[in-house]
Amino acid sequence: DQQVKQNSPSLSVQEGRISILNCDYTNSMFDYFLWYKKYPAEGPTFLISISSIKDKNEDGRFTVFLNKSAKHLSLHIVPSQPGDSAVYFCAANEGGNNRKLIWGLGTSLAVNP
Amino acid sequence: KAGVTQTPRYLIKTRGQQVTLSCSPISGHRSVSWYQQTPGQGLQFLFEYFSETQRNKGNFPGRFSGRQFSNSRSEMNVSTLELGDSALYLCASSRGLAANEQFFGPGTRLTVL
Repeated sequence: DQQVKQNSPSLSVQEGRISILNCDYTNSMFDYFLWYKKYPAEGPTFLISISSIKDKNEDGRFTVFLNKSAKHLSLHIVPSQPGDSAVYFCAANEGGNNRKLIWGLGTSLAVNP
Repeated sequence: KAGVTQTPRYLIKTRGQQVTLSCSPISGHRSVSWYQQTPGQGLQFLFEYFSETQRNKGNFPGRFSGRQFSNSRSEMNVSTLELGDSALYLCASSRGLAANEQFFGPGTRLTVL
């Protein structure tokens, strides 16, 4: 049973436009959420994170929004660049002492010039 | 600062054999986590080591084991290999136990024939 779901396996956007990647979760105990980016033949790279006490976190072109009531988060990339083409993973950290990252299956983003 | 390194990068084994993978964390990082990545299951948490002790374990059979040395380097062992063990094995390090942000190595691609 996937506790973290990324329902769109792929997404294609034009350079300069906004990319919106979505993530849903089922476990209300998750208290920290992260986005990672992965290029082929490389390990995932940390991108941005958000604590459950916030509803928005911004870092340059990347903004993550958290809607706790809907158990939904999204990553916005504005403006999108061809170098952003990668697989994006959403991950969540359980609260308490048993902290481990639970991952979504990823969304492959293609930014077209 | 050197990143997380994993050796070997590629490995081909046959069913029934055993394999050992190695991970060197970022200098100063004391926590090492291991993940298995397959196309259908995404990133699945295997275990986490901190100060030479296993602190967290995922839902994998006992054929999967690991250890951590005093210099924080970690090894992962899989015995009696099965075809389904073919995957990308990723190692991630972080400063503290179950820290929110983990830094990944490039992975070891294991193929079981």
